[in-house]
Amino acid sequence: GESVGLHLPTLSVQEGDNSIINCAYSNSASDYFIWYKQESGKGPQFIIDIRSNMDKRQGQRVTVLLNKTVKHLSLQIAATQPGDSAVYFCAENLYSSASKIIFGSGTRLSIRP
Amino acid sequence: DAGITQSPRYKITETGRQVTLMCHQTWSHSYMFWYRQDLGHGLRLIYYSAAADITDKGEVPDGYVVSRSKTENFPLTLESATRSQTSVYFCASSASGTGELFFGEGSRLTVL
Repeated sequence: GESVGLHLPTLSVQEGDNSIINCAYSNSASDYFIWYKQESGKGPQFIIDIRSNMDKRQGQRVTVLLNKTVKHLSLQIAATQPGDSAVYFCAENLYSSASKIIFGSGTRLSIRP
Repeated sequence: DAGITQSPRYKITETGRQVTLMCHQTWSHSYMFWYRQDLGHGLRLIYYSAAADITDKGEVPDGYVVSRSKTENFPLTLESATRSQTSVYFCASSASGTGELFFGEGSRLTVL
């Protein structure tokens, strides 16, 4: 069925270190995978997406990796900053069928000074 | 540049009452979405729309009704509110429908 899940509900990282947030998905038919950041009291903000025919995509301080063999998605944040503190969601989209974007349950990232 | 706006931001209602949450976007995006987010949980898709007059059910559509007579508006109606519908509701829009959604600030609904 359609489901997106996360390995860890919380992640604590030292400021300046790299953060890795993981996500598992179950629907091999998904076309797009997306990461969102949600700060307290706000709506989610788009970070980066990756299409199913790609393995890696880089943005500003962020990298998304897609492993279709094990249905795993990860978000790497380089040199984590206090402003990165938020809840991070992965989402999957069965774009070819309906643009039905389904979210996972989220990982809270906290930064230690 | 107003973007995407939701109203009301906060609403308290009673069980059995009808409630409508409004969503308006100024970008002329084709795709619009309604999600609900319960405390400490992720977002669950209620309904989505690919264009005016085209809507489809998401993961949790029961108890909700939507319409899309104009591209810029996507209201969500709870015909007879229940306590289990207490939640924060997020509206989002997208130009491409692939992955980049633009979210509103949310509407916090409490059903007593």
